[in-house]
Amino acid sequence: EIVMTQSPATLSVFPGERATLSCRTSQSVSSNLAWYQQKPGQAPRLLIYGASTRATGIPARFSGSGSGTEFTLTISSLQSEDFVIYYCQQYNNWPLYSFGQGTKLEIK
Amino acid sequence: EVQLLESGGVLMQPGGSLRLSCAASGFTFSSYAMSWVRQAPGKGLEWVAAISGGGESTYHADSVKGRFTISRESPKNTLYLQMNSLRAEDTAIYYCAKSHTVATTYLDYWGQGTLVTVS
Repeated sequence: EIVMTQSPATLSVFPGERATLSCRTSQSVSSNLAWYQQKPGQAPRLLIYGASTRATGIPARFSGSGSGTEFTLTISSLQSEDFVIYYCQQYNNWPLYSFGQGTKLEIK
Repeated sequence: EVQLLESGGVLMQPGGSLRLSCAASGFTFSSYAMSWVRQAPGKGLEWVAAISGGGESTYHADSVKGRFTISRESPKNTLYLQMNSLRAEDTAIYYCAKSHTVATTYLDYWGQGTLVTVS
């Protein structure tokens, strides 16, 4: 089983500033990593796949990077609607998916 | 437009059985793998089960193996999750999600979820 570790658990940032979220995997997943955003009371939404490709309709302020075991989701110029929870997910070890425990982005 | 609509979530007693359904529309159902993902109250996401596009291959998380069974009925464009021997720790919102391809990859569309409470 591939263990996913997201850090920090909670990140406090001022609106308009940049947020950097980290995801680490216990073994290499190549670039087979996705990021999801979840707003309160809603289903998760795909943001990034292939570690760095934005999904359809995702604003350019969201970007992903990394490969192997270290990944980053960067949100530049934070908007009010961005202060929610983010999950990473590996799909290299398919069909056995695994998710990180989530990072909550809160307003500082 | 891709739409996934889950149903079947209820309040159940431990040891009971339940079948969840997910009605899909807006895409060629048999061409994509599908998954169930759950989220316990206030917790993160946990993958539960996946099934290939043709339904010939199924996969289950260790936490539900032997108790839950994923299946699909392509003529009805419907995904199922048969849940037996329910436990309190199965309490969660259950989401169905569409894979990007016929095999299991990232999940590009999700339903709104159905709540299963075991108590």
